[in-house]
Amino acid sequence: NAGVTQTPKFRVLKTGQSMTLLCAQDMNHEYMYWYRQDPGMGLRLIHYSVGEGTTAKGEVPDGYNVSRLKKQNFLLGLESAAPSQTSVYFCASSWSQRGNQPQHFGDGTRLSIL
Amino acid sequence: GDSVTQMEGPVTLSEEAFLTINCTYTATGYPSLFWYVQYPGEGLQLLLKATKADDKGSNKGFEATYRKETTSFHLEKGSVQVSDSAVYFCALSDLYNNNDMRFGAGTRLTVKP
Repeated sequence: NAGVTQTPKFRVLKTGQSMTLLCAQDMNHEYMYWYRQDPGMGLRLIHYSVGEGTTAKGEVPDGYNVSRLKKQNFLLGLESAAPSQTSVYFCASSWSQRGNQPQHFGDGTRLSIL
Repeated sequence: GDSVTQMEGPVTLSEEAFLTINCTYTATGYPSLFWYVQYPGEGLQLLLKATKADDKGSNKGFEATYRKETTSFHLEKGSVQVSDSAVYFCALSDLYNNNDMRFGAGTRLTVKP
């Protein structure tokens, strides 16, 4: 049972390059989330989706775009990478929007922007 | 807005020592509270949760009680093991909106044999 799978696990980019991070979940969850994790700051929400074809901004959306063309996949794009986007990115999913249900996390993508 | 403040680390303990990691929160509405654990190289895993005041969440020997009067959700374990070494995150989510989960900064725990 794979759960939430993130691809790739590591990536180094040069400033100005673009890339897409892929998140796939096999739990048929409706809700999906992208976070970034920075030292001393916990996790901060970038974008989220409440269902196929929908996306919404989180706390720190600038410089990122997302798409949810299929229910099981949630893509995070960086159009023009900047050093400030060096971080560890986590995808999560949940079957319910109710706050008493946990989110399920992938293992993360470590991204370095030079 | 809603927020979580947790004890700064790192925390280093000897095996079989007692663990407390403090977590306090600020919230309106009806928050649910969570502790997640992150082992090296992995994502966050749910450790325990509590969804209303006075609830106690427990798992793998860890416990935390939802204290509305002190707005706290401290994590405790009576006897830590080397395998408990990880980063622990306290988190909060409004009952009616899981799309805005707020996390503390994380506390790194190292347990030495």
